[in-house]
Amino acid sequence: ILNVEQSPQSLHVQEGDSTNFTCSFPSSNFYALHWYRWETAKSPEALFVMTLNGDEKKKGRISATLNTKEGYSYLYIKGSQPEDSATYLCASTSSNTGKLIFGQGTTLQVKP
Amino acid sequence: GAGVSQSPSNKVTEKGKDVELRCDPISGHTALYWYRQSLGQGLEFLIYFQGNSAPDKSGLPSDRFSAERTGGSVSTLTIQRTQQEDSAVYLCASSSLGVATAFGPGTRLTVL
Repeated sequence: ILNVEQSPQSLHVQEGDSTNFTCSFPSSNFYALHWYRWETAKSPEALFVMTLNGDEKKKGRISATLNTKEGYSYLYIKGSQPEDSATYLCASTSSNTGKLIFGQGTTLQVKP
Repeated sequence: GAGVSQSPSNKVTEKGKDVELRCDPISGHTALYWYRQSLGQGLEFLIYFQGNSAPDKSGLPSDRFSAERTGGSVSTLTIQRTQQEDSAVYLCASSSLGVATAFGPGTRLTVL
């Protein structure tokens, strides 16, 4: 994998459903993996930064895992609420350039 | 300040005019990015500054776009001879290695 890729591109779920998204990133020269939440008409808001293989982070109903050996991260939302509706971006930082490379995002819509 | 600030928040200009957008990053952050979001699109990388290294300009869409970062702090993005397709929200972000990247509130540019 040369770029950061996210799937699915979009997701529609019912309130109360749990959901997860995938972020794939280059495993060579990896330094850190970032997740952001981006609401319409706002700036992206940082959720997590993870650096170690096997890292798990949690913030309320949202959690994330990291596998640096195979180059993927999962973001989980438990019991989705309408206010979770947003685009979720992941980004990988390369250790040799320090540059943050973003995926195209997963747009989540939670229906009441 | 505590966060990344950008000015102006909104800019309306006429086609063919030059514009300057300013970004004040978080003090001490070594990396600074410019992105833009055109209507209905994702984050588009424009340029990346890291410390004293030469900037990564690979995302600049044309030679009408330029950016500089003075003293490793404030950055200015200049768009010469603006075109209607330059209309977008221009986002600035700053970070240091391993730290979550913080985004500014953005400048909404409208080219008439």
